[in-house]
Amino acid sequence: DIVMTQSPDSLAVSLGERATINCKSSQSVLNSSNKKNYLAWYQQKPGQPPKLLIYWSSTRESGVPDRFSGSGSGTDFTLTISSLQAEDVAVYYCQQYYSTPLTFGGGTKVQIK
Amino acid sequence: EVQLVESGGGLVQPGGSLRLSCAASGFIFSRYDMHWVRQVTGKGLEWVSAIGAAGDTYYPGSVKGRFTISRENAKNSLYLQMNSLRAEDTAVYYCARGVVTGTGVKNWFDPWGQGTLVTVSS
Repeated sequence: DIVMTQSPDSLAVSLGERATINCKSSQSVLNSSNKKNYLAWYQQKPGQPPKLLIYWSSTRESGVPDRFSGSGSGTDFTLTISSLQAEDVAVYYCQQYYSTPLTFGGGTKVQIK
Repeated sequence: EVQLVESGGGLVQPGGSLRLSCAASGFIFSRYDMHWVRQVTGKGLEWVSAIGAAGDTYYPGSVKGRFTISRENAKNSLYLQMNSLRAEDTAVYYCARGVVTGTGVKNWFDPWGQGTLVTVSS
């Protein structure tokens, strides 16, 4: 099984500042044939189901604000919120879909400082 | 609008059974892989099962042999039959659509339903 490890567990950022969340996989999720990283990011607000933000490690889902960006390759990935807004308070999860069982990181809680 | 609505959750005793349902609308259900993902209250996400558009099924070790995923395309419905339930199966169960990647059920999930709570307790 591919183990996904997120860091930090939580972070507090001032409004308008940058938030950076890391996700590390226990083995590469890069498909050498198509050069794609099988990594997605989700946002979950209290009382709501997760919402897709990013797939293929860096492709933003339609309608997602461009302050959200994904980067990385192989085993190390980052979700960046360039200018934190109040509505971004949530828990963020990474997920690999390179192999079954499909697995998630433990989540990172983002709060306002 | 794509919509997924789960039902069937509730309180069940350890060793008991429960069947969850997910009603899908707003898309051609038969063309998509479908998944169940669960979340212990206040904790992280765990993928529970998948069924491909062709009916192939997949499970993680934690539920294999106890849970069975199925679909009824004529009714745009997804099911999860859960047997031999344990306290550690207590969670909110989400139905989620898999996005076609060309690699079978190795999908990301979009959208998700609102979830149904399963509580296993005596």
